[in-house]
Amino acid sequence: SAVISQKPSRDICQRGTSLTIQCQVDSQVTMMFWYRQQPGQSLTLIATANQGSEATYESGFVIDKFPISRPNLTFSTLTVSNMSPEDSSIYLCSATGLLSGANVLTFGAGSRLTVL
Amino acid sequence: AQKITQTQPGMFVQEKEAVTLDCTYDTSDPSYGLFWYKQPSSGEMIFLIYQGSYDQQNATEGRYSLNFQKARKSANLVISASQLGDSAMYFCAMRGNDYKLSFGAGTTVTVRA
Repeated sequence: SAVISQKPSRDICQRGTSLTIQCQVDSQVTMMFWYRQQPGQSLTLIATANQGSEATYESGFVIDKFPISRPNLTFSTLTVSNMSPEDSSIYLCSATGLLSGANVLTFGAGSRLTVL
Repeated sequence: AQKITQTQPGMFVQEKEAVTLDCTYDTSDPSYGLFWYKQPSSGEMIFLIYQGSYDQQNATEGRYSLNFQKARKSANLVISASQLGDSAMYFCAMRGNDYKLSFGAGTTVTVRA
């Protein structure tokens, strides 16, 4: 299965600033996704990162707030723009890969952001 | 639209005993996949087990087994011989034709010595 490296692993940010999270996969993958997990909550899909084109956003998420890049098949970034305390969450990068004979979504270790 | 329901916010289990985590789902896709993930306090998401909607046999992976009842739209996870390291949050998830995963609310499992 794909091994996903994500950085930063955690950060403390000031209100109004922006932070870019990087996601590197060790093999070429077709599908990459970004999820958000607010404190004590489940995972919510932010967007599908499309290689060489604009990301596809889920309802409630917009490009101006969460711009995403995917310049090639192994790398993607998520920027959290103009942050507020409500953006304090774990942000997880994920990619599809074969595991146990099935097409499984594997995750990076997550980026835990705290906005003050 | 897909919906995953986990009705057990928290479970306690004695070490070495088995525990069943409930998951029901709803989808209009004829083909779909069901997953269970474990999230320890460190925050990483660990894949446990997968069941395809057309699989005839229930999936098993070591101490994990999935009780798949398609007609009832349920995909319960059974953890046998619980260990202290099994204490974590467990998420049921479903993937439809678009490869996106939808997650349930999760169940916290606490294993007691």
